[in-house]
Amino acid sequence: DGGITQSPKYLFRKEGQNVTLSCEQNLNHDAMYWYRQDPGQGLRLIYYSQIVNDFQKGDIAEGYSVSREKKESFPLTVTSAQKNPTAFYLCASSTRDIHEQYFGPGTRLTVT
Amino acid sequence: GESVGLHLPTLSVQEGDNSIINCAYSNSASDYFIWYKQESGKGPQFIIDIRSNMDKRQGQRVTVLLNKTVKHLSLQIAATQPGDSAVYFCAERVTGNQFYFGTGTSLTVIP
Repeated sequence: DGGITQSPKYLFRKEGQNVTLSCEQNLNHDAMYWYRQDPGQGLRLIYYSQIVNDFQKGDIAEGYSVSREKKESFPLTVTSAQKNPTAFYLCASSTRDIHEQYFGPGTRLTVT
Repeated sequence: GESVGLHLPTLSVQEGDNSIINCAYSNSASDYFIWYKQESGKGPQFIIDIRSNMDKRQGQRVTVLLNKTVKHLSLQIAATQPGDSAVYFCAERVTGNQFYFGTGTSLTVIP
């Protein structure tokens, strides 16, 4: 089955620790995205990548980092510099020509 | 309809009735719009899309209407079923592959 996978579904960390969220797709999509979802707010773009080895900051990139070494993978690291990291994180992908974004199941990160 | 804030707008409908969910978008230059359905604890699922050169598009049990004059988008669900209960939100493409997402409307279908 083609799709986007995110792991783990739930993640718990202590404040001050970096944590990396996984996102893998086998849809052969060029573009991949990371969003953050908080209660009562729309999805906010953290980072996006339109091609391997290239990525751009979104609206709320501070405290986050990404890499795009492979077309299939776009991991997100939540660093200790992120002031309010507890949230639901969604990864998405799309082709460059068709702009519909396919979403993964999400990772709920809780930092205490 | 959708609005910015801490509380999601809610809509309750009887099973079998039609549902209409509204969305006001922000950028008159947006050229592509998507409606998503999101069930609790899951990722959003694509429902239907529409380009700015269209006023209406129909899918299976769903219709999207676009009014560019007032920057308004609506999603109509025919014969609403309990499985339609979810949060629905719209997305507008502002540039390239970047989208702005609405906060969503919570739809509850009463059996």
